[in-house]
Amino acid sequence: DADVTQTPRNRITKTGKRIMLECSQTKGHDRMYWYRQDPGLGLRLIYYSFDVKDINKGEISDGYSVSRQAQAKFSLSLESAIPNQTALYFCATSKRGTSGNNEQFFGPGTRLTVL
Amino acid sequence: AQTVTQSQPEMSVQEAETVTLSCTYDTSESNYYLFWYKQPPSRQMILVIRQEAYKQQNATENRFSVNFQKAAKSFSLKISDSQLGDTAMYFCAFMNGNQFYFGTGTSLTVIP
Repeated sequence: DADVTQTPRNRITKTGKRIMLECSQTKGHDRMYWYRQDPGLGLRLIYYSFDVKDINKGEISDGYSVSRQAQAKFSLSLESAIPNQTALYFCATSKRGTSGNNEQFFGPGTRLTVL
Repeated sequence: AQTVTQSQPEMSVQEAETVTLSCTYDTSESNYYLFWYKQPPSRQMILVIRQEAYKQQNATENRFSVNFQKAAKSFSLKISDSQLGDTAMYFCAFMNGNQFYFGTGTSLTVIP
């Protein structure tokens, strides 16, 4: 079974629609992250959360919001989707603390297309 | 702010040959961690290798090894005996204990 899951895996929507991407993890990690991947730009951080009551903006948070419903769940919302939010979205988790063992574990990604 | 630079957008290598992917980073911190991730066409992100900045010895994982030059802020990945399954996008990443910073990636194609 996958440790980090994302739903949906693919989604096509229209401009102006509200979209929620969901992430769940069974790794017991405290930290969760949302990234978007665009060709030539790599992965850019949207939001991150170090525990249920901690939410932080990343590099490109405008147009997005998040909710940490539980330690294992972290959802990303696009309140009013626009075409330049078309991208591949990844959820990731990591353990607390500063250690070389604290690599990020990624979900399978959600391909979002906004028409 | 931390930045990670991968200056080679695309590379190719013959099967069984060796290839080196470059990565440089900019930071004022002394304690940090570096990673290489692989993203095959399945789009799953897979950890290839990690390096702790306080360790002088270069990390090695089977056919994958790094050349970590702390003073030069360089962290290159060497893939030996390249295999067709190594065809993927490779991302270099820097972690300072709180956030991860990724490079823009290098697309590697292994040619039969």
